[in-house]
Amino acid sequence: DAGVIQSPRHEVTEMGQEVTLRCKPISGHNSLFWYRQTMMRGLELLIYFNNNVPIDDSGMPEDRFSAKMPNASFSTLKIQPSEPRDSAVYFCASSLRVPNTEAFFGQGTRLTVV
Amino acid sequence: GDSVTQMEGPVTLSEEAFLTINCTYTATGYPSLFWYVQYPGEGLQLLLKATKADDKGSNKGFEATYRKETTSFHLEKGSVQVSDSAVYFCALSGGGGGADGLTFGKGTHLIIQP
Repeated sequence: DAGVIQSPRHEVTEMGQEVTLRCKPISGHNSLFWYRQTMMRGLELLIYFNNNVPIDDSGMPEDRFSAKMPNASFSTLKIQPSEPRDSAVYFCASSLRVPNTEAFFGQGTRLTVV
Repeated sequence: GDSVTQMEGPVTLSEEAFLTINCTYTATGYPSLFWYVQYPGEGLQLLLKATKADDKGSNKGFEATYRKETTSFHLEKGSVQVSDSAVYFCALSGGGGGADGLTFGKGTHLIIQP
C-alpha cells in the first residue's frame, strides 16, 4: 500500500484566498483524522471521521475551516478565507476503527499564507 | 480529558550515549500508549506501542514500558546514533476521555552529535 497520500506537499497562498488540502487514506481504513502542527501548539486534532461521517469537529478553530469526506478514499480540508495565522503543517492520518489502534500519517501539507 | 506530558527539548547527546525521554499521561480509561518519530520534512511514523500495563514496546533499539502505577511511558535507547536525530512524540488513544484518535505530547527534539 502507498500509505496515506496528501496533496499538495507545499502550498503558498495570499491572505483571503481559499485553500483546499486533500487526503487519500489507506485502503480499508475507516477512520480519518486531520491534524495541524505548529511550533506554538504542537499537534492539534482538528476533526475526525468514522466511516465517512464527521464525529467530532470541536478542534476546528473557526468557521473558516471545513472538512468533507465524500467517500472512503478521499477527504478535503478547506480554509476560506485563509489568514496568515493558518500557516502550519496539516497532517491527515487514517486507522482501522478498532480500540487502541495506531494511526498512519501522511507526509503533510506545509501551508504558508502571506 | 486525556493529556500527555513529555520533557521539553531540545535534547542534545553525543553518539553512543544513553537516551531517556520522559512521558507521563492522564487518562480516565485504559489507554494504549505510543511513541511516534518525525524526521525532518516528513510525517509521523509509529516507533513502538504498548496496549496494557507492564507491556514493553520495542523497535530499532528503542524501548518503552507501560507503567500504570506511575502513569508513565518513558522512551529509552542504550546507544543512540546520529540517524536517531528527530522529533519524538508520546501519544495515547482509547483513554476513555476526549475524542477518538490520538492525544499527543508536544514533542521532544532530539539532536545527536557525532
